[in-house]
Amino acid sequence: QVQLQESGPGLVKPSETLSLTCAVSGYSISSGYYWGWIRQPPGKGLEWIGSIYHSGSTYYNPSLKSRVTISVDTSKNQFSLKLSSVTAADTAVYYCARVISASGGPDYWGQGTLVTVSS
Amino acid sequence: DVVMTQSPLSLPVTLGQPASISCRSSQSLVYSDGNTYLNWFQQRPGQSPRRLIYKVSNRDSGVPDRFSGSGSGTDFTLKISRVEAEDVGVYYCMQGTHWPWTFGQGTKVEIK
Repeated sequence: QVQLQESGPGLVKPSETLSLTCAVSGYSISSGYYWGWIRQPPGKGLEWIGSIYHSGSTYYNPSLKSRVTISVDTSKNQFSLKLSSVTAADTAVYYCARVISASGGPDYWGQGTLVTVSS
Repeated sequence: DVVMTQSPLSLPVTLGQPASISCRSSQSLVYSDGNTYLNWFQQRPGQSPRRLIYKVSNRDSGVPDRFSGSGSGTDFTLKISRVEAEDVGVYYCMQGTHWPWTFGQGTKVEIK
């Protein structure tokens, strides 16, 4: 069974960098597929942040591209998100997910982690 | 970006009765490979989204057959044949054809 688990600070100060990691179990990232980050502000809808292929190719949402970096560490079977210069508008539950391109969407999701941007 | 518009945004339903959610995209979701990458997700209160349907009408493993998806081009529908109590939650459509992938606003399904 594929499982994903997000981890990282739950509180980040404005203008600083949000950093999250997604640990994957039950599947080897190096075997293939895309791996993505999605966020959901409290009480609101879902927004794709970006995706990374197991080889390292990345796709970022243009609305966030200047501030986002997604990387993969196949040796640890995990991938990471960095979002710089955060503001209160970046407060959200952040989910990581596996994406099978042949299906055109995420099939497995992490449980999500709430990140609050506040001083 | 492709705008996904769902209706209704709120759907009160009676247990055992059918329910239907519409999703329209601002442009065709047919990809160059001929596939239409339209997904449906269910998000129960306090949980992560769970995918129910991919490529318009394919049910994910373990999804009850009372859930079905249909549609083409820019017009899509999720149907629940007989609503059960466990179906309460917010349902989202999502397109995976055009980057950035985008979600609908969500439809909240509740029991009358």
